[in-house]
Amino acid sequence: KQEVTQIPAALSVPEGENLVLNCSFTDSAIYNLQWFRQDPGKGLTSLLLIQSSQREQTSGRLNASLDKSSGRSTLYIAASQPGDSATYLCAVRPNSGGGADGLTFGKGTHLIIQP
Amino acid sequence: GAVVSQHPSRVICKSGTSVKIECRSLDFQATTMFWYRQFPKKSLMLMATSNEGSKATYEQGVEKDKFLINHASLTLSTLTVTSAHPEDSSFYICSARDYLAFFGQGTRLTVV
Repeated sequence: KQEVTQIPAALSVPEGENLVLNCSFTDSAIYNLQWFRQDPGKGLTSLLLIQSSQREQTSGRLNASLDKSSGRSTLYIAASQPGDSATYLCAVRPNSGGGADGLTFGKGTHLIIQP
Repeated sequence: GAVVSQHPSRVICKSGTSVKIECRSLDFQATTMFWYRQFPKKSLMLMATSNEGSKATYEQGVEKDKFLINHASLTLSTLTVTSAHPEDSSFYICSARDYLAFFGQGTRLTVV
């Protein structure tokens, strides 16, 4: 059974710092990996998706890497801003060959950016 | 990007009653939708996969008679929590997949 772990569980840093969030998964047979942002009491916003054949994806100040063989992904946030404060979730989609598979999520990293 | 709309965002109901939650894909057709549940400080857990025109597929440990799923059209799936109890209080969120997995805004259910 796939398990996804995110470290750290919580992180508080001053504004302007660069930071790295970590995600690991136990089964490397994944179709893709997706990073989400969740604001309190809200739904999920997709940030980046990395296909299993890719090594990284970038969007603005965000960069996500994937090392499928070692079961790891990182989300790099450059020049953090208070608006980045949220819970960041990592999720993997299994590579079962079918199209209808749910995602397995980590517990998330609760990020606070201090003004 | 694709939009998934979930309604209601919050609902409070009495123990023993049923509550229906709707999930709509607004600008794409979704033959498959997913229902997740999130407890405080826990991961989102997949409850079931909703398949248009056929029965839902439930994850192990999820009571299909308690959590009724109907996916009658390519843009609408509903989750009905039947005979709700306080332990059913949680955050329920749906997802539909286009290229990416898009999520609804979630529903905070409180059973009193």
